[in-house]
Amino acid sequence: QKEVEQDPGPLSVPEGAIVSLNCTYSNSAFQYFMWYRQYSRKGPELLMYTYSSGNKEDGRFTAQVDKSSKYISLFIRDSQPSDSATYLCAMRGLGYGQNFVFGPGTRLSVLP
Amino acid sequence: SAVISQKPSRDICQRGTSLTIQCQVDSQVTMMFWYRQQPGQSLTLIATANQGSEATYESGFVIDKFPISRPNLTFSTLTVSNMSPEDSSIYLCSVRGETEAFFGQGTRLTVV
Repeated sequence: QKEVEQDPGPLSVPEGAIVSLNCTYSNSAFQYFMWYRQYSRKGPELLMYTYSSGNKEDGRFTAQVDKSSKYISLFIRDSQPSDSATYLCAMRGLGYGQNFVFGPGTRLSVLP
Repeated sequence: SAVISQKPSRDICQRGTSLTIQCQVDSQVTMMFWYRQQPGQSLTLIATANQGSEATYESGFVIDKFPISRPNLTFSTLTVSNMSPEDSSIYLCSVRGETEAFFGQGTRLTVV
């Protein structure tokens, strides 16, 4: 079993739809959870990060972490064509030296 | 956050040759990280580069194949040596904040 699992997609939705992106993980030591957006031919850019369980909202984006289920989600409301990108989840344990573990990314297309 | 400049952004190289990728950060950082991103796969950490000491390589990566320099606190290079088509990938430079990782725009390498 991989440490972090993520459906690679591709996922196609119409403009304005609510998008749900998810990752599951196996290491209960993970405490920090991040979502990155990567446009084609660009490096990943940090969208959101959360610490431990709970929700965090930033504009149209909501990140959820359920540590009991080892499951994290990113919701995108009112999706736009500019949201078309690959979304990677990432996580790590406590302590500065802890390695980041990334999911393979979900490719999202928002169709106008 | 950190601004990371990486070059070249892309290159097409002949097998058996070497390519050196440069990474410049806009602030001093203790550690710089080099990742490989292959299509449909998670970001894989190649090595951690500390200023003033030898880089630390992850399992499956060796110094002879991926020599790294770290001459100061804002700059690092990764060389991909004796390239083969299997080395075709995106190579990313990264630094870390308190909790997050930040990335350069990546170098897309194609070996023919």
